[in-house]
Order: sequence, then structure tokens, then C-alpha cells
Amino acid sequence: KQEVTQIPAALSVPEGENLVLNCSFTDSAIYNLQWFRQDPGKGLTSLLLIQSSQREQTSGRLNASLDKSSGRSTLYIAASQPGDSATYLCAGGGDSWGKLQFGAGTQVVVTP
Amino acid sequence: KAGVTQTPRYLIKTRGQQVTLSCSPISGHRSVSWYQQTPGQGLQFLFEYFSETQRNKGNFPGRFSGRQFSNSRSEMNVSTLELGDSALYLCASSPGTAGNTIYFGEGSWLTVV
Repeated sequence: KQEVTQIPAALSVPEGENLVLNCSFTDSAIYNLQWFRQDPGKGLTSLLLIQSSQREQTSGRLNASLDKSSGRSTLYIAASQPGDSATYLCAGGGDSWGKLQFGAGTQVVVTP
Repeated sequence: KAGVTQTPRYLIKTRGQQVTLSCSPISGHRSVSWYQQTPGQGLQFLFEYFSETQRNKGNFPGRFSGRQFSNSRSEMNVSTLELGDSALYLCASSPGTAGNTIYFGEGSWLTVV
């Protein structure tokens, strides 16, 4: 059974610093890994999807890497802004496309 | 393109009652999944439907059920509500084929009193 862990559980940084969020998973037979953002009381917003055959994906200030051999994914957010404050979740996908195994999330606060 | 729509957004039910939540996926998406989110357990997978068939089921009691209609809209039902069923219920849709992003709705907040 796939288990996903996110460390740290919470993170506070001053505006302008780069954010590094970590995600580890136990089953290397992962089909893809997806990063989401969740604002308080809201649903999840998809940020990046990395296929198992890919090493990284980039979108604007966001870059996510995937290392299947070590069971790790990292989300980098460059030049953080107060609007980046949210909970970030990673989720591993298996061979059933709608079933994701989620980590507990990292709560990020970016202070002005 | 409209996103994933969930109704109702907020509801309060009494212990022992039942509840039905609705989800309209993104147009063209054939897969609908449901998740329960609580502070203690995080996000947990309930079930997934693809082309009206349940493709996967999570580790939840039989009180939790769902279905999908021919237009891909989905409903989930929880019978004999318990206090512990209070949660945010999230619906997600995807095309249902390999390598596609999964998109979530805003969720339905259920409070059981």
C-alpha cells in the first residue's frame, strides 16, 4: 500500500525566500505524482503533475521534481509571496487514475 | 470551461439521518472520485466511478455509497449518519485515462449534530 509523507508539517518564511517542500512515498511503482494547493475552507487546486517517466515539471515560479528510486518529490516555489500562503499537498497516483494517496500536507505561511 | 461543481456546499444533519451529495464533473471527463477530508485523518479516498461503474473503493463502511449517471454526474450517499462523518467531502474529475491531471471541486461541508 502506498504511503505518502510530507515534511515539515508547517513552514514560515519571509517574503522573497524560496520555498522547498518535501514529499516521500513508499511504493516506487508510482504512476504519477501531483502537487496541490488548498486554501482554508476551499477545495484543492492542481499545481503540477509529474508522470513517472519524467524527472521534473515547471510552471512559472513552481518547479517539481520526482526521483522514483529514492521515493521523493520536491516542490520548489521561487521568490515566495504572501499569496503563496496555503497548505500544499502531494499525492501519488497508481494504475487507477482517480485514486490518489495523499500526504498530510505542509502548511506554509509567507510573512510580508 | 466550467470546473467541478459540488452541491450543496454546506449542510447540517442530525445523527441517524442520511445525506446525498452531488457532483458535476468537468465536461468530457468520465472519471469521478470522492474523498473525505478531516483534520485527524486528512484526505481519504472513498470511491471512483468511470462510465457509470465503480472502479475502486476505499476502506469505508457500507453506509457510504455512490453512483454515476450516464452524463457522468455523480452522487454519494451516507446513511445512518454518525458524528464522525462530519467532514469536507471533495469530488474530483478527470478524463479517466493515464497521465491526466485530476481536478477537484470546492467540496461539501457536512456537519452532523
